[in-house]
Amino acid sequence: EVQLVQSGAEVKKSGESLKISCKGSGYSFTSYWIAWVRQMPGKGLERMGTIYPDDSDTRYSPSFQGQVTISVDKSISTAYLKWSSLKASDSAMYYCARQGRGGASAFDIWGQGTMVTVSS
Amino acid sequence: SYEVTQPLSVSVALGQAARITCGENNIGSKDVHWYQQRPGQAPVLVIYRNNNRPSGIPERFSGSNSGNTATLTITRAQAGDEADYFCQVWDSSTVVFGGGTRLTVL
Repeated sequence: EVQLVQSGAEVKKSGESLKISCKGSGYSFTSYWIAWVRQMPGKGLERMGTIYPDDSDTRYSPSFQGQVTISVDKSISTAYLKWSSLKASDSAMYYCARQGRGGASAFDIWGQGTMVTVSS
Repeated sequence: SYEVTQPLSVSVALGQAARITCGENNIGSKDVHWYQQRPGQAPVLVIYRNNNRPSGIPERFSGSNSGNTATLTITRAQAGDEADYFCQVWDSSTVVFGGGTRLTVL
């Protein structure tokens, strides 16, 4: 079964660092881009950035450039999303999603989500 | 920047057809993807590239895209179809999601 499994919910304080993970299985992990998507409470979906596991080529959406770091360890089929200094406004659900093949493709497989709560 | 517009909410009677739109100038020139997000769950792809259903998605879900409007149609609506639906396109290298439509099945 093709799936993405994310790490569990996190409760942190402002200023702390955090790294959450997304492990792929059931497919060739290095052959598909992985995106991170934010969903703030009661709001829509925002793509934060995307990484290609085979060569770690990373693209950030302008709103998130410099705010987070996306990385990957292809030896364990895992992508990461990291904050060096959390803010209360980072409180949200974060999803990883596999981007399908070809240009302008859909996000065909989603992780279950990781809830991040940041208290000030 | 490119933006796509969805109605905030759509209601449909049980067993009837629901239509959810995604609008923007000349959206018909782009591929549109649709996601279903049930309460408390992750999004699920239900239509890709305008009118294609992934494996496991019922035939009741279909899509079209022409001119300035893309449409997701759900026939014979069921209680389990109650969810938020998001359209998504690419504008150059940018991913654009619609704001989402809450579908209520009456």
